[in-house]
Amino acid sequence: DAMVIQNPRYQVTQFGKPVTLSCSQTLNHNVMYWYQQKSSQAPKLLFHYYDKDFNNEADTPDNFQSRRPNTSFCFLDIRSPGLGDAAMYLCATSPDPQGQLYEQYFGPGTRLTVT
Amino acid sequence: AQSVAQPEDQVNVAEGNPLTVKCTYSVSGNPYLFWYVQYPNRGLQFLLKYITGDNLVKGSYGFEAEFNKSQTSFHLKKPSALVSDSALYFCAVRTRYNNNDMRFGAGTRLTVKP
Repeated sequence: DAMVIQNPRYQVTQFGKPVTLSCSQTLNHNVMYWYQQKSSQAPKLLFHYYDKDFNNEADTPDNFQSRRPNTSFCFLDIRSPGLGDAAMYLCATSPDPQGQLYEQYFGPGTRLTVT
Repeated sequence: AQSVAQPEDQVNVAEGNPLTVKCTYSVSGNPYLFWYVQYPNRGLQFLLKYITGDNLVKGSYGFEAEFNKSQTSFHLKKPSALVSDSALYFCAVRTRYNNNDMRFGAGTRLTVKP
């Protein structure tokens, strides 16, 4: 089945220690998104890629970076995690940026704990 | 700017009773409206969407939603609730003018009691 996969599902890191979360998709979608979700709140968009074009949200902290080496994979790097970065991180995909008609397809999420 | 509001943090219903989860929206232009469900420690799952056409939209798991332009609402409904419907529900909106700006509501926790 075509899907969005996130690894690991649970990640524990230490305060200030860089961490990378990964997302892969078999849907061959052009657009990939990263969201941060805290305590059952609404997901907050961090950034998205349309193919290799990176689009950062204005209020996303510089501490958060992303890489998309190919269509299938996208990584979220947190350079110096703080306690406030503990959250669920959701990856999502969508067929193309003109596809406002399309829903987004979400992965299961990675729950990040910062100690 | 576009936004959605889910006025109820929590909705409780008895199994077998009808359920409604409310959503209102504010956009410039025509809205594209979505409902997602999230189970504990899982990602969001798409339920249904309104793009154009019939105001009553049917989706997964027996859910439906009615688009009401005059009331700027898109309430989620199900005729007979199941205990397994207990989850967190998110309404979302996007417009043709900003394709990648999908705005989510704050979420409504639905609890269906046996």
